[in-house]
Amino acid sequence: GAVVSQHPSWVICKSGTSVKIECRSLDFQATTMFWYRQFPKQSLMLMATSNEGSKATYEQGVEKDKFLINHASLTLSTLTVTSAHPEDSSFYICSARGSREGSPLHFGNGTRLTVT
Amino acid sequence: AQKITQTQPGMFVQEKEAVTLDCTYDTSDPSYGLFWYKQPSSGEMIFLIYQGSYDQQNATEGRYSLNFQKARKSANLVISASQLGDSAMYFCAMREIVRTGANSKLTFGKGITLSVRP
Repeated sequence: GAVVSQHPSWVICKSGTSVKIECRSLDFQATTMFWYRQFPKQSLMLMATSNEGSKATYEQGVEKDKFLINHASLTLSTLTVTSAHPEDSSFYICSARGSREGSPLHFGNGTRLTVT
Repeated sequence: AQKITQTQPGMFVQEKEAVTLDCTYDTSDPSYGLFWYKQPSSGEMIFLIYQGSYDQQNATEGRYSLNFQKARKSANLVISASQLGDSAMYFCAMREIVRTGANSKLTFGKGITLSVRP
């Protein structure tokens, strides 16, 4: 069964509004979660690393104020796309991994965001 | 320079035949992990197989096996007895183990589209 739950699976919003995406680890504690973005037919690009109880680490070129990440508990990280614009339309995927060495990243099912 | 290279164009294979998906990587880290993920059209990322840089044997998971050639820095995925449900995008990824203990991220290749023909 799924070990990482992501919600919502899809969302349509108007330009200028904000959208929150939730990522939960279901049967393990994840001190670190990762947020990826994927354009059609392209690879996953890491946006940020979410650390429980501390500030997220953003990749170069990712706007911190636009993509707000909160990792308030060991099982929940949220990504908020603020003041969304059509160019933010994309597929966003969260992931988390267990603490054991060699543990794979478990991915959520992704959220398809469409900004109109 | 790209850390993970997947250069094959769309791949086609006949049902029940085997197929090899290529992946080469670049790292100076002596300790790293290599992963393959499958992404069907639904978008979910499905973990397939893992190979550690110090593993002596090639990893196998059911119909999936990893042809790990460390000196050549290649980690090709072999799918045996292809099934129609194997049609998807396949991503090779690498995690460089950070000795400081910080959680290390996965770097993905561009992916390969595999189509299985009946």
